[in-house]
Amino acid sequence: RKEVEQDPGPFNVPEGATVAFNCTYSNSASQSFFWYRQDCRKEPKLLMSVYSSGNEDGRFTAQLNRASQYISLLIRDSKLSDSATYLCVVNLNTGGFKTIFGAGTRLFVKA
Amino acid sequence: DVKVTQSSRYLVKRTGEKVFLECVQDMDHENMFWYRQDPGLGLRLIYFSYDVKMKEKGDIPEGYSVSREKKERFSLILESASTNQTSMYLCASRPGPQETQYFGPGTRLLVL
Repeated sequence: RKEVEQDPGPFNVPEGATVAFNCTYSNSASQSFFWYRQDCRKEPKLLMSVYSSGNEDGRFTAQLNRASQYISLLIRDSKLSDSATYLCVVNLNTGGFKTIFGAGTRLFVKA
Repeated sequence: DVKVTQSSRYLVKRTGEKVFLECVQDMDHENMFWYRQDPGLGLRLIYFSYDVKMKEKGDIPEGYSVSREKKERFSLILESASTNQTSMYLCASRPGPQETQYFGPGTRLLVL
C-alpha cells in the first residue's frame, strides 16, 4: 500500500464547477501537510498548506482529518487555468526529513 | 521569493558519460533534495542533504552520487550515464524538516 494515495483521475469538469480531491495517508507519524500544483512539464509549486482547523485561500479550501488520516482539496468556480496535476504531500516526523509525495490527480477544466 | 535554480533545462548525454547536475538556492535553506520524475511513477527521491557535507540516500540512489560542499549548492552526479536515467530531474530545498519544499525548474536529461 502506498503511504500517500490519491485518485489519479483525470477529472474533467466544466468551467464554474466545484471539484474535490481526496488524499489518504497511512503513516501515523505524518506531521505536516500540503497541496502542490504541477503544470505540464513544469516543476511542482506549493498551492497551500493544510491545517487541522481547515483553511481557505480564495476559491481553494483544504481540510485535514487526522483521525481518518485524510486530506481534501476543494476548488470552487473552476477556471481553465486550474487545469493541472494536484499533488498531496506529507512530511513525516521521523527524524524530520522524509517527505512523501502522492502521485497526483489530473484536473482538466473545459470551456 | 525563494529561488532555486538548476544549471541546465535540457541536457543530452551519451551512455557512459559522467553527468553533473547543479542546483543552487538563495534562501539559506538547510535541507536540499534531488528527485527524478517519470510518467506514471511520480516523484522519487534520489538523495537528500540536511546540512553542508551531509547526505542521505533516498529511495533510488543507485547510479547516482551527490555533493554538498556549500550550503547553497547541491550537485547530483551520474557516474556513468545509462539510458534508463533519461528523466526529468528536480532539485528542491526547504528551510527545515516540517516546512514546504521549493523546487527548481527541472532538468530534462536524455541519455542516448
